[in-house]
Amino acid sequence: SQKIEQNSEALNIQEGKTATLTCNYTNYSPAYLQWYRQDPGRGPVFLLLIRENEKEKRKERLKVTFDTTLKQSLFHITASQPADSATYLCALYNSNYQLIWGAGTKLIIKP
Amino acid sequence: DAGVTQSPTHLIKTRGQQVTLRCSPKSGHDTVSWYQQALGQGPQFIFQYYEEEERQRGNFPDRFSGHQFPNYSSELNVNALLLGDSALYLCASSLAPGWGSDGYTFGSGTRLTVV
Repeated sequence: SQKIEQNSEALNIQEGKTATLTCNYTNYSPAYLQWYRQDPGRGPVFLLLIRENEKEKRKERLKVTFDTTLKQSLFHITASQPADSATYLCALYNSNYQLIWGAGTKLIIKP
Repeated sequence: DAGVTQSPTHLIKTRGQQVTLRCSPKSGHDTVSWYQQALGQGPQFIFQYYEEEERQRGNFPDRFSGHQFPNYSSELNVNALLLGDSALYLCASSLAPGWGSDGYTFGSGTRLTVV
């Protein structure tokens, strides 16, 4: 069956360091993969989209990589700040144009 | 520029009752998608509306139905509520269905509790 897996354990990072989150998928061949941020009690906020023919995408302190051979995307936040603390979700389209989501990884940046 | 607006923010219903949730999309967006998010889980796709028609549907029973109005706003209806329907219901809007390359804009959701 099709699955998206994100690390269910919270990730604790010291302020100023780089946080790296992982999204693995099976039985998909997505053309796009998206990353969202979600704060408690709020809806997800779109961060970045990466296409299958792109190896890397950057936006300010954010960087996303997409390895279609490994079926994996990595999401990096450089120079992390306490305000970056949130749950980060990856999502991809299945063949029916439906957005399928991982369960998210909670990121905690400690001052 | 108003984002996605959902109402109500919180709702408590009894098993067996019916509920209607409402969504106004971001200005300029014409497509509305609904998601159910249980605590600690990612959103689950319910359905998507475009041009007042249901274009895609996820793996949800017929108790879940929806509607889109000419002004692009949308409603989600759930009949015969079950305890398991308790969740955060999210509305997302976009410009046109399909392979949205700009991501979706989400509302803050409606927290539904069924008792």
